[in-house]
Amino acid sequence: GQQVMQIPQYQHVQEGEDFTTYCNSSTTLSNIQWYKQRPGGHPVFLIQLVKSGEVKKQKRLTFQFGEAKKNSSLHITATQTTDVGTYFCAGPETNAGKSTFGDGTTLTVKP
Amino acid sequence: NAGVTQTPKFQVLKTGQSMTLQCAQDMNHEYMSWYRQDPGMGLRLIHYSVGAGITDQGEVPNGYNVSRSTTEDFPLRLLSAAPSQTSVYFCASSYSIPGLANKYEQYFGPGTRLTVT
Repeated sequence: GQQVMQIPQYQHVQEGEDFTTYCNSSTTLSNIQWYKQRPGGHPVFLIQLVKSGEVKKQKRLTFQFGEAKKNSSLHITATQTTDVGTYFCAGPETNAGKSTFGDGTTLTVKP
Repeated sequence: NAGVTQTPKFQVLKTGQSMTLQCAQDMNHEYMSWYRQDPGMGLRLIHYSVGAGITDQGEVPNGYNVSRSTTEDFPLRLLSAAPSQTSVYFCASSYSIPGLANKYEQYFGPGTRLTVT
């Protein structure tokens, strides 16, 4: 079945440093979603990328979808303590009810 | 809208007991899913449904049953609880609009934290 892998598993940064997490799928994806889960919370949808090579920005967050639609990245510029949490990528399979999630990258930010 | 609601928030079971985790959504979403999340790990799909009356197995279905008699509700039943089922359980709903970039955004409930002793 489809596998989605994320690296790194953990990232510790000093506040103000940049952060990047990478997501790789074993199969070509029709789209990819990114979610953020705060400690003790539930995953919250951040964004969906659909087109090959697509780049989207949300303030300090930049999301990219690879040309082959098998990989993606999330980059945070100048991290803040509010960025703490686990970032997941997810790729849908045959329908919207079934998605494969990566294991996530847990970001901690030292003030 | 309340979004996706889950009850209970916390539950402790003894091995062998059964129980039902409740999930409801008021967004008229056709798709609903159950995931479990173990400490430090990602989300693993247990069961999902593409509409009322239709369910299918995910990655880790053993020990769990689901049914979808209405669009709004998607309960998850633990048949005979085992310590390996200690986890956080998330219910999610989603929708797609074919032709409009197939929007797959999932809305998650707050989770049920289950401990089996």
